[in-house]
Amino acid sequence: NAGVTQTPKFRILKIGQSMTLQCTQDMNHNYMYWYRQDPGMGLKLIYYSVGAGITDKGEVPNGYNVSRSTTEDFPLRLELAAPSQTSVYFCASRTTDRGGQPQHFGDGTRLSIL
Amino acid sequence: DQQVKQNSPSLSVQEGRISILNCDYTNSMFDYFLWYKKYPAEGPTFLISISSIKDKNEDGRFTVFLNKSAKHLSLHIVPSQPGDSAVYFCAANPQGGSEKLVFGKGTKLTVNP
Repeated sequence: NAGVTQTPKFRILKIGQSMTLQCTQDMNHNYMYWYRQDPGMGLKLIYYSVGAGITDKGEVPNGYNVSRSTTEDFPLRLELAAPSQTSVYFCASRTTDRGGQPQHFGDGTRLSIL
Repeated sequence: DQQVKQNSPSLSVQEGRISILNCDYTNSMFDYFLWYKKYPAEGPTFLISISSIKDKNEDGRFTVFLNKSAKHLSLHIVPSQPGDSAVYFCAANPQGGSEKLVFGKGTKLTVNP
């Protein structure tokens, strides 16, 4: 079972470059999320989606954009990469918004901005 | 302002002993608490959860205790195994159908053989 798949696993960008982090899930989950994890810190929510065509900002959305054209895919776009965006990015999904329902995470994309 | 706090960055225990990981929260408006385990170079994986209306939930070697008056929860692992060595995150789900899980900073558990 693939679950949540993130690509690429690693990437180095130069300041000012742009890129898209890909996330796809095969569990038919409506709810999808993007987090970033900085060293020694917890996960912070960047953007989330409650279904195709619906997205909303999380705690740290500045410098990022998302789209959700299908249930399966939830790409995260960095338009002008900055050193502060060096982090590990995790995509997650879950089937409902019930509080006890866990989120399923991908293995992350490690991004360095130099 | 941290709403979910894991004050111990690391914990080391001997194989076979009990591991106790702690988590404190400041907001009484959480309806569920979840624990995730994370190995290096992998994403977090769900371990166990507890509803705010309960005080204990058990799943095999893992038990989570919730003390609402103290705004404190703990994860007990008995007996601890070397494969339990990982970073453990506490997360809280706000009431009202909010999507925004709040995570602690994590505690790195090392179980020594």
